[in-house]
Amino acid sequence: GAVVSQHPSWVICKSGTSVKIECRSLDFQATTMFWYRQFPKQSLMLMATSNEGSKATYEQGVEKDKFLINHASLTLSTLTVTSAHPEDSSFYICSAAVEGQGMFEQYFGPGTRLTVT
Amino acid sequence: AQRVTQPEKLLSVFKGAPVELKCNYSYSGSPELFWYVQYSRQRLQLLLRHISRESIKGFTADLNKGETSFHLKKPFAQEEDSAMYYCALREKSSGDKLTFGTGTRLAVRP
Repeated sequence: GAVVSQHPSWVICKSGTSVKIECRSLDFQATTMFWYRQFPKQSLMLMATSNEGSKATYEQGVEKDKFLINHASLTLSTLTVTSAHPEDSSFYICSAAVEGQGMFEQYFGPGTRLTVT
Repeated sequence: AQRVTQPEKLLSVFKGAPVELKCNYSYSGSPELFWYVQYSRQRLQLLLRHISRESIKGFTADLNKGETSFHLKKPFAQEEDSAMYYCALREKSSGDKLTFGTGTRLAVRP
C-alpha cells in the first residue's frame, strides 16, 4: 500500500526559532498533500491544502506567513513553522491524496510532535 | 459549510457485544463519507468508504441520506477493535479536503 513518511517524528525547539517538517510519499506521486494539526485528545484540524507547483490554500484562521508550505515535487511537501512559540506546540500530520478508478483516498503520515520551549 | 458530528467521545463495550459508532453530517452537495481508524501509537488509516459498500474487519457503514447519517457498525466487538474512530466527509468541490468529526474512542473490554 501507499506509504507517507514524515521527518522528523518529533522535535523540540526554542521559542523564536523556525522548524521545518517534511512529508514524503514514498511509493506514489501525490498532486495534493494536506497538512493537519491535532491537539491532545482532539480531532484533526486541516491547516492547508498543498498542490505541487502552486501556492498552498490555507484554511480560515491559519496564518500563512507563520506556517510556510512548499510543495516542490510530486513526492515532497514541507511545512515550516516560523518564529515558533509555545502555543505552536502540537502534533502535525500530513497526508497525500491519490485518485484512481474513481476512488479517492488520503494516506496519512505518522505525524510530527513539535514542542516549543 | 459542511460539518461532521460524532456525538460520543467514548464508547465502552464488552467483547462480543454489538457496536455502533454514530456519525451525522450536514452537507449541501452529494456527500462522500469515510471512516478512519487510529490504533494506539499508529497513524490514521482508512477503514472504509461509503461508495465501496464493503465490510472491513467486520465493520460496515451505510449512508442514510434521509437521516444524514453514516453510522459504523459491527455485530461482535473484539478487543483489537479498541481504537479512535473518525468519521470524515470529502468536499470534492473544494480541493478534495476532508472534514473530520471529533472522533469516538472505542474501548472493548474482555
